[in-house]
Amino acid sequence: GQQVMQIPQYQHVQEGEDFTTYCNSSTTLSNIQWYKQRPGGHPVFLIQLVKSGEVKKQKRLTFQFGEAKKNSSLHITATQTTDVGTYFCAGEIQGAQKLVFGQGTRLTINP
Amino acid sequence: EAQVTQNPRYLITVTGKKLTVTCSQNMNHEYMSWYRQDPGLGLRQIYYSMNVEVTDKGDVPEGYKVSRKEKRNFPLILESPSPNQTSLYFCASSVQGSYEQYFGPGTRLTVT
Repeated sequence: GQQVMQIPQYQHVQEGEDFTTYCNSSTTLSNIQWYKQRPGGHPVFLIQLVKSGEVKKQKRLTFQFGEAKKNSSLHITATQTTDVGTYFCAGEIQGAQKLVFGQGTRLTINP
Repeated sequence: EAQVTQNPRYLITVTGKKLTVTCSQNMNHEYMSWYRQDPGLGLRQIYYSMNVEVTDKGDVPEGYKVSRKEKRNFPLILESPSPNQTSLYFCASSVQGSYEQYFGPGTRLTVT
């Protein structure tokens, strides 16, 4: 069954508002990756986090990996219409040597 | 240009008619994988391959077959498609299974 849970499933915001999606695993992850899928497109790699407590930023996007390496979050500050899409987390269960994807969070934005 | 290609992009077929979706990558990646994407379920792995002639089941392998005779190609075979296999399919490749995945453009399959 699904070992990596992602919430919320959907999020609608006004342009300029912030957005956060959360990813939780029941088991420790070796690393976690985030992907973005634009409507009608394919998932595209955004970033990978490896260390406990790691925080990385890409312009308005902030990615965090929890201290226990079981959860992660993606926060977008001041959303823009170009942020529309579905955001997926994907974690490597320790020792599995493959990724398990979360269900994704679909972000829509009111301009 | 580094890329993963899939064919066809769209396919409508009938129950029981065998079909193959091709996947090819030009990045010399060892690892290739097939996913299906369904609303509310995210991306679920069907099969993966760690190298030529090495394949293994993912989370939802029932009704599918794969082969990896060459490093660059990883076709997905549906011997007897059924309506519950109607989905959006993605092929992906990477250096290793846990590394950054490069996805193909997707194949939207409808089985009636």
